Amino acid sequence: GQQVMQIPQYQHVQEGEDFTTYCNSSTTLSNIQWYKQRPGGHPVFLIQLVKSGEVKKQKRLTFQFGEAKKNSSLHITATQTTDVGTYFCAGTTSGTYKYIFGTGTRLKVLA
Amino acid sequence: ETGVTQTPRHLVMGMTNKKSLKCEQHLGHNAMYWYKQSAKKPLELMFVYSLEERVENNSVPSRFSPECPNSSHLFLHLHTLQPEDSALYLCASSQEGPGDYEQYFGPGTRLTVT
Repeated sequence: GQQVMQIPQYQHVQEGEDFTTYCNSSTTLSNIQWYKQRPGGHPVFLIQLVKSGEVKKQKRLTFQFGEAKKNSSLHITATQTTDVGTYFCAGTTSGTYKYIFGTGTRLKVLA
Repeated sequence: ETGVTQTPRHLVMGMTNKKSLKCEQHLGHNAMYWYKQSAKKPLELMFVYSLEERVENNSVPSRFSPECPNSSHLFLHLHTLQPEDSALYLCASSQEGPGDYEQYFGPGTRLTVT
């Protein structure tokens, strides 16, 4: 069945360093969403990418959707302690309600 | 954040018990979802309802039984669960479907099966 993998599984960075997580789908996606889950919390929507090759920015966060619409990345510039949490991508194929969530990348930021 | 509420927040139940999880969304959304989140596993979609009609049933064991009486409420009825069913159960809603709108998650119910 359809799978969405994320790497790395864990990442520890010093505050101020950059961070990137990668999301890879076994099938072509119609769109991809990114969520952040703080420790003890629930997933919170960050952004949705729809177009092939799309790049979106939110302050220090940059999101990319691959040309083949099978992969995506989230890059955080100059991490802060507030960035701590697990980042999930979630892909969906056309005409379905079914979101396939990635395995997540847990980010720890050391002050 | 009070957009999607879930009760109870924590639940401990024996394998022979029957209990229900409740989810309510105050966002005027038309689609609602149940997810299971276990340690070291990705979020698993269990059920999706759109306009009170079940549109996805992701091969979930029959000991989990969903109910959607209206577009604002979603229940998950539990009976004769197994210890491996212990997990965080998350409810979510979205404006419409399929797959085009962000999902708003509730705080979850932490379920422990003893």
